[in-house]
Amino acid sequence: DIQMTQSPSSLSASVGDRVTITCRASQGIRNDLGWYQQKPGKAPKRLIYAASSLQSGVPSRFSGSGSGTEFTLTINSLQPEDFATYYCLQHNSYPYTFGQGTKLEIK
Amino acid sequence: EVQLVESGGGLVKPGGSLRLSCAASGFTFNIAWMTWVRQAPGKGLEWVGRITTNTDGGTTDYAAPVKGRFTISRDDSKNTVYLQMNSLKTEDTAVYYCTTVSGYGDLIPYHWGQGTLVTVSS
Repeated sequence: DIQMTQSPSSLSASVGDRVTITCRASQGIRNDLGWYQQKPGKAPKRLIYAASSLQSGVPSRFSGSGSGTEFTLTINSLQPEDFATYYCLQHNSYPYTFGQGTKLEIK
Repeated sequence: EVQLVESGGGLVKPGGSLRLSCAASGFTFNIAWMTWVRQAPGKGLEWVGRITTNTDGGTTDYAAPVKGRFTISRDDSKNTVYLQMNSLKTEDTAVYYCTTVSGYGDLIPYHWGQGTLVTVSS
């Protein structure tokens, strides 16, 4: 199975900051990666697909990049509603696997 | 509007069985690949398994922790996907989400249900 190592596991930041979250795959996965945001008690919401394509309706301050084994999710100018937990998901081969999550907290 | 409504969760003893259902509406169910994802209390997301369309053979794939114990099936006449869970363990305790993609060619969960809680405890 492909392992997805996500870092950091938690992150404190302030409104207006720029943050970056990283996912590393245990083997190359081309650009077969998505990013999700989850708020407490809610189902996840897809932000990014194909590593860098922004989901319709998602603010442009979110962006994804990477290919192969290293991927990043960047959030520019953090807004109060962005404080949540973020997950990557590889879909290069079965079983699909999520990263462990990054909890983004208000500093 | 796409709706996925899970049901069937509850309390079950270790070694027991439970069947979850997910009733789908708002999209053409018989051409949609369906996936189950779970989340243990306070933990991260875990991909459980997926079923393709009957046209694609109704093929299933599972995560290692559930392989051989869980079975995903679908009934296109009822727009429903099922997750049969046997030989349940305490570590299967989680909220189980039913998910599907946004459309043809999409491969990862986009639409999610509200989830149903399964608690495995003696």
